[in-house]
Order: sequence, then structure tokens, then C-alpha cells
Amino acid sequence: DVKVTQSSRYLVKRTGEKVFLECVQDMDHENMFWYRQDPGLGLRLIYFSYDVKMKEKGDIPEGYSVSREKKERFSLILESASTNQTSMYLCATLTGPEAFFGQGTRLTVV
Amino acid sequence: DQQVKQNSPSLSVQEGRISILNCDYTNSMFDYFLWYKKYPAEGPTFLISISSIKDKNEDGRFTVFLNKSAKHLSLHIVPSQPGDSAVYFCAARSGGSNYKLTFGKGTLLTVNP
Repeated sequence: DVKVTQSSRYLVKRTGEKVFLECVQDMDHENMFWYRQDPGLGLRLIYFSYDVKMKEKGDIPEGYSVSREKKERFSLILESASTNQTSMYLCATLTGPEAFFGQGTRLTVV
Repeated sequence: DQQVKQNSPSLSVQEGRISILNCDYTNSMFDYFLWYKKYPAEGPTFLISISSIKDKNEDGRFTVFLNKSAKHLSLHIVPSQPGDSAVYFCAARSGGSNYKLTFGKGTLLTVNP
């Protein structure tokens, strides 16, 4: 079974803090993604990466950056957290047509 | 511009009856369509997919139908069970060598006992 692991299930951070969300996959997949899920808005793509050190902006990249130094690890960075970044963050890998998701990180920015 | 649309935010059905979830898309270059199920506080889990060259795919209680001319797909669940109650997301794959999935806003399905 593919395993996608996100480092935290729940996080509470203060406005202005730098926040790191980590994601690790164990299946050697090249494509990795970060989405956020908000009620009524579905899953929106923040950034994705198709190889080490490669990154592409998704639909809502503002306020975020990413890092992919190793194939199995894809990090999402909130440079200066704001309350409108309170959300459920989901990491995924893609092989063929199917995406495998982590369990999600519920981030609250206060 | 929303490329994948789920126009029904919610759907309620009785246990044992059919659930039909709908999805429309605008991008003719999508090559695969997928359905995901999501429970609260969990990541989405894959249900079923269909290639753009097919018009039907079936897996147990789940069947997906694709109408390319109408740019419409639907997920049928028969018979519906209370454990099927969840948010269902329609997704579409695009890209040549660097694929990505675009999701709809989701439909909350409630199956009443």
C-alpha cells in the first residue's frame, strides 16, 4: 500500500509565524502535490512538483512556497502565517491516474 | 474559472436506493476522471476512475458514466448504505508529462437508514 505521511494532524500557529508542513511518501512517486480544503471551495491546488528541486505553482500559490530536496519529501512553507490560511492541508502523490493522499493537517492560525 | 463543477452541494437518499452524483467539466484535454470519498478529518480516498476514451466503468456498487459530448460524468452508488455518507469529490487529470488533478467543490452525500 502507498503511504503518504504528513508530519502533524493538528497545528496551531500565531499570525506572522513561519510554518512548515512536511509530507513524506514511500513509493518513489515523482509527482507530489499540496492542496488545501475549505468548506464550499473543495480542494484547491497550491503547488506541485514533478521531480526533485522542481516546483510548479498551482491555482492559489500566494503566501506559500515549497521545497523538494529529496524525492520522498515535499514541504509546504507558509512564510508569514495569516488567519486566512487556517485550513485543512492535504499532501498527495500521483501515479498513473490515481492520487494518494495523506491524512491531512488541520492548521489554525490565531 | 472553475474547470470541474459539482453543482449540488448536498444529496440525501434512503438506504438501499440509488445515489447519483454529478460532475461537469469544461476542459476537453482532461484524459482521466476520478471520484474520491472523504470523511471529516481524513484525507480523500480513491473510489473509481474512468478514462476519457471509455463511457462506463463499474466496480462493485460503484459505476461511473462519462458523456464526453456533454462534458458530464456521474457516479452511481447502488445500493446506498449509511457508511457511504461522506463528501464526494470529482477530479480530472490534465497535463502531458507533468500531471495534475483538478477537483470539484464536492457533494455531501447523506444516506439515511
